[in-house]
Amino acid sequence: AQSVTQLDSHVSVSEGTPVLLRCNYSSSYSPSLFWYVQHPNKGLQLLLKYTSAATLVKGINGFEAEFKKSETSFHLTKPSAHMSDAAEYFCVVSDRGGGFKTIFGAGTRLFVKA
Amino acid sequence: GAVVSQHPSWVICKSGTSVKIECRSLDFQATTMFWYRQFPKQSLMLMATSNEGSKATYEQGVEKDKFLINHASLTLSTLTVTSAHPEDSSFYICSARVPLSDTQYFGPGTRLTVL
Repeated sequence: AQSVTQLDSHVSVSEGTPVLLRCNYSSSYSPSLFWYVQHPNKGLQLLLKYTSAATLVKGINGFEAEFKKSETSFHLTKPSAHMSDAAEYFCVVSDRGGGFKTIFGAGTRLFVKA
Repeated sequence: GAVVSQHPSWVICKSGTSVKIECRSLDFQATTMFWYRQFPKQSLMLMATSNEGSKATYEQGVEKDKFLINHASLTLSTLTVTSAHPEDSSFYICSARVPLSDTQYFGPGTRLTVL
């Protein structure tokens, strides 16, 4: 069965410092993995996705994530945080064993301090 | 990326009335759309999977007679909350899956408040 665990409910960084949002997954098949961002009272925007091509995936707004099969992780990073990055971030897994149903992590709230 | 719209963006209604929410894929045809519910400060909860031309598949615990889903065309799915009650107040988000892909694009959400 699929599952996804976001290890931190809240992350706080200072503007200009690196961002690390952690995600671990469980999947019986080769999964597709996604990161989405949600600003308050808004829908979700796709940041990036992994689908068994390159393990280092570059997304929008300077974000990237690395798929590590041995660690079953898909952590999201950004070298330098901006105030506009403050939002909720969701890690999502999908695999054919679940009929391509997407499973959402609980979310990580990113706070960016000036 | 692909664009998905939702209408209305917010709605306030009286208890006992029905509310319809529309989800449209604007620049692609979506054979599969999804409806989610999100409570404050929580993750998204999948309510149902909507397939064009067939009955929706509801997740366990979701009342199909209360949350009516219709996917009449490749670009439109609707969610009707029937006989709404205050506990139905929530943020409802739809998504559409790109054909031959497992990528979903999300609508901006609809805030429903039932008085």
